[in-house]
Amino acid sequence: NAGVTQTPKFQVLKTGQSMTLQCAQDMNHEYMSWYRQDPGMGLRLIHYSVGAGITDQGEVPNGYNVSRSTTEDFPLRLLSAAPSQTSVYFCASSYSGQNEAFFGQGTRLTVV
Amino acid sequence: SQQGEEDPQALSIQEGENATMNCSYKTSINNLQWYRQNSGRGLVHLILIRSNEREKHSGRLRVTLDTSKKSSSLLITASRAADTASYFCATDWDGGATNKLIFGTGTLLAVQP
Repeated sequence: NAGVTQTPKFQVLKTGQSMTLQCAQDMNHEYMSWYRQDPGMGLRLIHYSVGAGITDQGEVPNGYNVSRSTTEDFPLRLLSAAPSQTSVYFCASSYSGQNEAFFGQGTRLTVV
Repeated sequence: SQQGEEDPQALSIQEGENATMNCSYKTSINNLQWYRQNSGRGLVHLILIRSNEREKHSGRLRVTLDTSKKSSSLLITASRAADTASYFCATDWDGGATNKLIFGTGTLLAVQP
């Protein structure tokens, strides 16, 4: 099993550009989420999903969109990149809200 | 912000010593989890303790939970150089109804060989 796979691993964007961070899991988990990690801030929740077709906002959702058309995939879209979105992004999945989360290896995004 | 806090922020010990890190959180919880993050990598789950448990062990790890003080501690015994990493606690946001987690700010552990 591959677990949680994120692509790309690194990305540099110019201010105003848009892009999609991909996340796929092969564990048939219903629950998936996106976090960003900034120095000294720990991880903060951007968006989450409890199943295909169901998404909701986390703590820092502004500037990001998500959709969940399949159980396996949960892409994160940056609509118009800003330098404040420079961060490391992690996707996670879990069997339920009361079980451990499995994390991808992260996408390091720099917006110039 | 709903983030929890961990202390110390950084800890440096010698191989073979024990390492203790603490986590405080703000809301009522269903469970609390500890994760490890090696530099530049994703997070790896270490242990989950439920709100009705006070202590849990897994190998060289011992976790305690005090819900009255909204705090938890992680003890790593007989530390090894390979334990060098950042350690985060995470609590469920809404009693485990969803997979939303609130993370602490982390403790950076350095184990000197």
